Amino acid sequence: AQSVTQLDSHVSVSEGTPVLLRCNYSSSYSPSLFWYVQHPNKGLQLLLKYTSAATLVKGINGFEAEFKKSETSFHLTKPSAHMSDAAEYFCVVSDNSGYSTLTFGKGTMLLVSP
Amino acid sequence: GAGVSQSPSNKVTEKGKDVELRCDPISGHTALYWYRQSLGQGLEFLIYFQGNSAPDKSGLPSDRFSAERTGGSVSTLTIQRTQQEDSAVYLCASSQDWADTQYFGPGTRLTVL
Repeated sequence: AQSVTQLDSHVSVSEGTPVLLRCNYSSSYSPSLFWYVQHPNKGLQLLLKYTSAATLVKGINGFEAEFKKSETSFHLTKPSAHMSDAAEYFCVVSDNSGYSTLTFGKGTMLLVSP
Repeated sequence: GAGVSQSPSNKVTEKGKDVELRCDPISGHTALYWYRQSLGQGLEFLIYFQGNSAPDKSGLPSDRFSAERTGGSVSTLTIQRTQQEDSAVYLCASSQDWADTQYFGPGTRLTVL
């Protein structure tokens, strides 16, 4: 079984300040972990993916995430927020036990103010 | 190259009518997935295809929901006798193989009046 908990439903930051979106997971196997972003009325876009090659994963648009097995966490960070980062972010786990069904977190809405 | 496409982008229907939603995966992707995104339930897995076979239909919410895939490419999700609780965004994703990264289409927003 696998599950994902996104600890914040909403995060508000000012433009130019750091972003931290928190995610904890559980998985019976060695998981793959993903962050997807969804802009209003758009489809889901893959930001980054962890598959055990390296614990610090760099994604698009300056985002990165660190896999911490001891804490079962996969938090998403960005040093400096842009207005265009305002969107909903989903942390996703796949336990790689068979076919790759994804389990999604409930999402975190990132609000960026000028 | 072209991404996953879905049609229609929006569908409004009356309760009790049948609807068909279409997904065109990325060319060459053997795995195809349907998900549903609704306000109360978040993102839920519906069904997975490997080629034209559906090894896992466990996410389909009722027997009013069915899906097929032909030629290892296009997939159709059919909802019969639609109910208001079927209103949601239906997302399709495809991956090169079952263990690979899934790429999502823009979704079909279904509204049942």
